[in-house]
Order: sequence, then structure tokens, then C-alpha cells
Amino acid sequence: DIQMTQSPSTLSASVGDRVTITCRASQSIRNYLAWYQQKPGKAPKLLIYEASSLESGVPSSFSGSGSGTEFTLTISSLQPDDFATYYCQQYNSYSLTFGGGTKVEIK
Amino acid sequence: EVQLVESGGGLVQPGGSLRLSCVASGFTFSSYWIHWVRQAPGKGLVWVSRVNNDETFTSHADSVKGRFTISRDNAKNTVYLQMNSLRVEDTAVYYCVRECDRSGNYGLDAFDVWGQGTMVSVSS
Repeated sequence: DIQMTQSPSTLSASVGDRVTITCRASQSIRNYLAWYQQKPGKAPKLLIYEASSLESGVPSSFSGSGSGTEFTLTISSLQPDDFATYYCQQYNSYSLTFGGGTKVEIK
Repeated sequence: EVQLVESGGGLVQPGGSLRLSCVASGFTFSSYWIHWVRQAPGKGLVWVSRVNNDETFTSHADSVKGRFTISRDNAKNTVYLQMNSLRVEDTAVYYCVRECDRSGNYGLDAFDVWGQGTMVSVSS
């Protein structure tokens, strides 16, 4: 299985900060990477697909980049509603795998 | 409104069985691949199973292979997950998810619609 490693596991930030989360794949996944946001007690929500395509309805403050084995999710200006846990997911291999998650906390 | 609604979770003893259901509405159900993803309490997301649009193809994670079976009934807009020989480590919220049709690679795509989840607890 392809291993997905996210860093950091926890991130403390303030409203208005620029935040970057990294996801690394154990082998090339081309651009078949998605990012999700999950709030406590809720289902995940798709933010980004194909590494850099913004899902409809998602604020433009979210952006994704990367290809191959290294990817980033950037929030250009953190808003109160953005405090949540973020997961990356690869879909290059039939055994789909997720990263361990990055919790974005209020500083 | 595009929606997936799961049911069937509950408390079961190790070795027992449960069948989860997922009812879809608001979209052409028979056109989409559907998956199950689970999340143990306080843990991350884990893919479990997938079924293609007409049930001619299914696949399961190694951790559940031989114990879980995914199926669907397009006449009822419903996907099922039959879970047998349940183990304590199967305890999790189980989400039914729709695979979006963006990459052009069936079975390999992001998940654009998620149900609210149903909790399965395996304990003696």
C-alpha cells in the first residue's frame, strides 16, 4: 500500500495566518491527491481534488499544489471556520489510503 | 439535495454480524461508484470497500477481506455492507461515500459526497 505522511500532526495558528500542510507519498501518485476538512462529529468535506483543483463552493483561500510524492495544502488567511482536521488521500492505487491528519488549532 | 444516509450500526459482540445500509437521494445513483470509509474513535480515515455502478466489480481492504461484503440495489438506491466475524478493531464510524467522476479512472477518484456516518461498536 502507498503510505501517506502528513506534517505537522498539529498546527497552532491565529486568525489571518497563512497555513501550509504537507503530505508525502511513499511512491509517486502523479496528481491523484485529494484534501478533506473534518470538524468534530462531522463527516469529512472535499476541498481539493487532483492535487490543485478547488471543489465547487470551497473558498478560494484554500489551494493545493504538488505532484509525484510531495503535496501541500495552503490556507492563505486562516478564518475561524477553518479550525479543523485536514486529511490528504491518494487515489492512484486501488488500495486507497489517507494521511494521518493535521489538526489546526487556535493559537 | 444530494444525500447519503447510513443506518444499521450498533453494538455487537466479537464474532457477530451487522449489515449497514446507505440510501442515496438527489442524484442518479446507478451512475456512481460507492465506497465505505471508516474512522475508529479519535483516529484517521481508512478505506474499507468499493462497488462499481452496476455491482459487477467490488473490492475490499485486506483488513476486512473475507469478512465484509459490499453490494448494492440500484432499484432501491441503496448500498449495503455485510460485516461478519466482527472484531474489536472494527469499532468505528462507517461512512458511505460517493466517488466523484473527475479523474476518468473508475474506482480511483476523490470522494465528493459523504453520509453522516453510522457507529459500529464491537465489544463483549
